[in-house]
Amino acid sequence: NAGVTQTPKFRVLKTGQSMTLLCAQDMNHEYMYWYRQDPGMGLRLIHYSVGEGTTAKGEVPDGYNVSRLKKQNFLLGLESAAPSQTSVYFCASSYQGLAGSEQYFGPGTRLTVT
Amino acid sequence: DQQVKQNSPSLSVQEGRISILNCDYTNSMFDYFLWYKKYPAEGPTFLISISSIKDKNEDGRFTVFLNKSAKHLSLHIVPSQPGDSAVYFCAASVSQGAQKLVFGQGTRLTINP
Repeated sequence: NAGVTQTPKFRVLKTGQSMTLLCAQDMNHEYMYWYRQDPGMGLRLIHYSVGEGTTAKGEVPDGYNVSRLKKQNFLLGLESAAPSQTSVYFCASSYQGLAGSEQYFGPGTRLTVT
Repeated sequence: DQQVKQNSPSLSVQEGRISILNCDYTNSMFDYFLWYKKYPAEGPTFLISISSIKDKNEDGRFTVFLNKSAKHLSLHIVPSQPGDSAVYFCAASVSQGAQKLVFGQGTRLTINP
């Protein structure tokens, strides 16, 4: 049981390049999330999904797209990277519970855009 | 508008003493609160949570207190151990629907031997 995994762990992009971050979970969770963490700002929600084939915008969605074609995978895309997207990206998943439930996080992807 | 705030960026505590981390929120719709612990180069890991129907939840050395009228929660760690040195994030959510978490800025806790 690997939990939540993220690929790649590190990446350096040049401004204008594109890339896709992959998140996979093996816990059969319905909900999946993408966050970014910047110094002094905690984690901010980019996009999320409440089930296969569904996606929705979070707090900071501009410049990102996502897809959830399979229940276990959640992809985050950057079509044209900008230096402002330099950050650490975390994927998370959670079980759909009635009384709230904790999210399980992956190890993160450190992205630098030059 | 920061809906969840941790006003102390850092805290230093002596080993064996109590660590108290604080968190304030502004959105009265939040009804589920969580604390996460994060080591460098790792993802956050869940520590403890509390529902708004309670005012205290305890798990071993960790206790979370919720004061709904003040929109304030705190995490108590007693006794503090060197392995507790990490960044602690407070998070809040509405328990129905997508359960999106809103995080505070984090507090870096350092336990001194």
